[in-house]
Amino acid sequence: QQQVKQSPQSLIVQKGGISIINCAYENTAFDYFPWYQQFPGKGPALLIAIRPDVSEKKEGRFTISFNKSAKQFSLHIMDSQPGDSATYFCAAREDQAGTALIFGKGTTLSVSS
Amino acid sequence: GAGVSQSPSNKVTEKGKDVELRCDPISGHTALYWYRQSLGQGLEFLIYFQGNSAPDKSGLPSDRFSAERTGGSVSTLTIQRTQQEDSAVYLCASNRDGGTSTDTQYFGPGTRLTVL
Repeated sequence: QQQVKQSPQSLIVQKGGISIINCAYENTAFDYFPWYQQFPGKGPALLIAIRPDVSEKKEGRFTISFNKSAKQFSLHIMDSQPGDSATYFCAAREDQAGTALIFGKGTTLSVSS
Repeated sequence: GAGVSQSPSNKVTEKGKDVELRCDPISGHTALYWYRQSLGQGLEFLIYFQGNSAPDKSGLPSDRFSAERTGGSVSTLTIQRTQQEDSAVYLCASNRDGGTSTDTQYFGPGTRLTVL
């Protein structure tokens, strides 16, 4: 059973547009929801993260929206740029010592110039 | 170095051979994780080390997979009798203190394993 479901699998956005990636989860024990960005040949790097006690977190052009009742969270990239072209992974983790991140399957974003 | 390093960056092996993948975590990080990234499948948790505690091996897919962490630092992931389905990118991550859920995991660049 996939614990974190991510959509879409791929996304093409024009430069300056808004990119939206969605994730849904089932485990109500999840307490931490990061988004990772991965460029080809590189390991994933933390982009932004949220805890369930807030509904939104913004860092620059990147915003996480969190809906606890629906068990959904999403990443919004405003004013998308070609340099944002990468694979994005949502993840979730329980608030327990030593629990691993559970990742979605990833979204490949292409921003056309 | 400042980040997590992994070696080799690429490994091509024949079916049935054993392989060893190495991870050097960030200095001072007590927690170390191994993940496997297969095409279109996201990142799959394999094993977790925290300090001197017994590792969490719950993600290892079969008994052909094993890992050790010597001296609380460097870790080696060993795959015995490799199969073609083992072909993937193997990623290592570390964080400062695995006891805090929000502690950022830092990933290495991965080792791309190809089993012919």
